Amino acid sequence: GESVGLHLPTLSVQEGDNSIINCAYSNSASDYFIWYKQESGKGPQFIIDIRSNMDKRQGQRVTVLLNKTVKHLSLQIAATQPGDSAVYFCAENSGGSNYKLTFGKGTLLTVNP
Amino acid sequence: DGGITQSPKYLFRKEGQNVTLSCEQNLNHDAMYWYRQDPGQGLRLIYYSQIVNDFQKGDIAEGYSVSREKKESFPLTVTSAQKNPTAFYLCASSPGQGKEKLFFGSGTQLSVL
Repeated sequence: GESVGLHLPTLSVQEGDNSIINCAYSNSASDYFIWYKQESGKGPQFIIDIRSNMDKRQGQRVTVLLNKTVKHLSLQIAATQPGDSAVYFCAENSGGSNYKLTFGKGTLLTVNP
Repeated sequence: DGGITQSPKYLFRKEGQNVTLSCEQNLNHDAMYWYRQDPGQGLRLIYYSQIVNDFQKGDIAEGYSVSREKKESFPLTVTSAQKNPTAFYLCASSPGQGKEKLFFGSGTQLSVL
């Protein structure tokens, strides 16, 4: 989910477990979605993207699921590792311009060894 | 080494002062972007440029200015009109078709003295 104010949603998992990070997007006309990982003090790193003509896409250890009916996006990370600890952002291209991505507020993932 | 270089990493601004943040890319990308990130928040778009000598306002352009005289460079000036400039500033680029992943720099932390 998305945060209110300065308090990020948090997810704490044990090393080796699977993680699922959720995102509710705002615009039913959005047709491009993307997930980024951001470590403290660094720029966001691309994880995976998906277009609205798909409902699932897989990468290395990650899967993105898109449910357009309820405007929901999720990122699944398999066999979570301590190096996966970071803030994860979803973003949507919500129309108006092909170049404008609207970012969610992020979810903090903490992986316990 | 290909990528996006932002400088400086840390910048301090006195009241009434304009400061300029540098962003250079050697990825041969047409599109470049500036985002602002406040603690515990997502990224908000300040300005973007689809091509050299052209740029558009994003969602929070007031108090900022940009130029795009060269393909590789997209400097951001934070003017004295920006009353709350303290934030983490992120520059990004993309190939230029729109609805594509952005490649981010490592950011500049701007603080007010």
